[in-house]
Amino acid sequence: TQLLEQSPQFLSIQEGENLTVYCNSSSVFSSLQWYRQEPGEGPVLLVTVVTGGEVKKLKRLTFQFGDARKDSSLHITAAQTGDTGLYLCAGAGYGQNFVFGPGTRLSVLP
Amino acid sequence: EAGVVQSPRYKIIEKKQPVAFWCNPISGHNTLYWYLQNLGQGPELLIRYENEEAVDDSQLPKDRFSAERLKGVDSTLKIQPAELGDSAVYLCASSSLLGDTQYFGPGTRLTVL
Repeated sequence: TQLLEQSPQFLSIQEGENLTVYCNSSSVFSSLQWYRQEPGEGPVLLVTVVTGGEVKKLKRLTFQFGDARKDSSLHITAAQTGDTGLYLCAGAGYGQNFVFGPGTRLSVLP
Repeated sequence: EAGVVQSPRYKIIEKKQPVAFWCNPISGHNTLYWYLQNLGQGPELLIRYENEEAVDDSQLPKDRFSAERLKGVDSTLKIQPAELGDSAVYLCASSSLLGDTQYFGPGTRLTVL
C-alpha cells in the first residue's frame, strides 16, 4: 500500500505571502498529481508530474517532483484569497490507481 | 460539455436504513471510480469500473456496500444497512482510461443519524 503524507495539515496566511506545501512517501511513483478541492465540490486536477526532478509552473503555482519520484512540493507565490482550499496530492505506480494524501487545508486571509 | 453528475447532493438517513447514490460520468469515459472522503481526509477508492466490469473492488466493504454499472455508463452505489460510521462524502469520478485525468463530481454528503 502506498501511503502519502502531506504537510502542513493546516496553513493560514495573509494575502500576498508565499507558501510551500509538501507531499512525501516512502514509495516510488510513476506519476504524481496535485488537486485543489473547494468546499462542497470535488477535487480539480491542477497538474500531473511524471519525470523525477520535473518542475511545472501554472501561473503563480510551481510544482516540483523529487528526483527519486517519492516526494513533491507545491509553491504558491503571492497567495490570493481565491487560492483558499484543500490541496491534495495523489500518486500512482505503473498501472495502478492513484492514492490520495490527506491534504493541506490552506486559508488565505484578506 | 457536462461534467460528472451525482445525485442526490445531500442525504440524511437513520442507521440501519438503505441508501443509494447515482453517478453519470462524462460522455465517452470508460473508467468510473467511486471514492469515500471523510472530513479532513483525502478520497479513498472504493471501486473502479472499466466499462461495465468492476476491475478493482478490493476496498469495497462487500458486507454492506454494493455497486453496479450495468450498461457501462451510469453507476449506482448502495449501502444496506447504513451505519453511523458511513457518514462521509461519496465522490464519483470518471476518466477516458486508467491513468488519464480524473474528473470528479460534486459528491453526495451522507449523514447517518
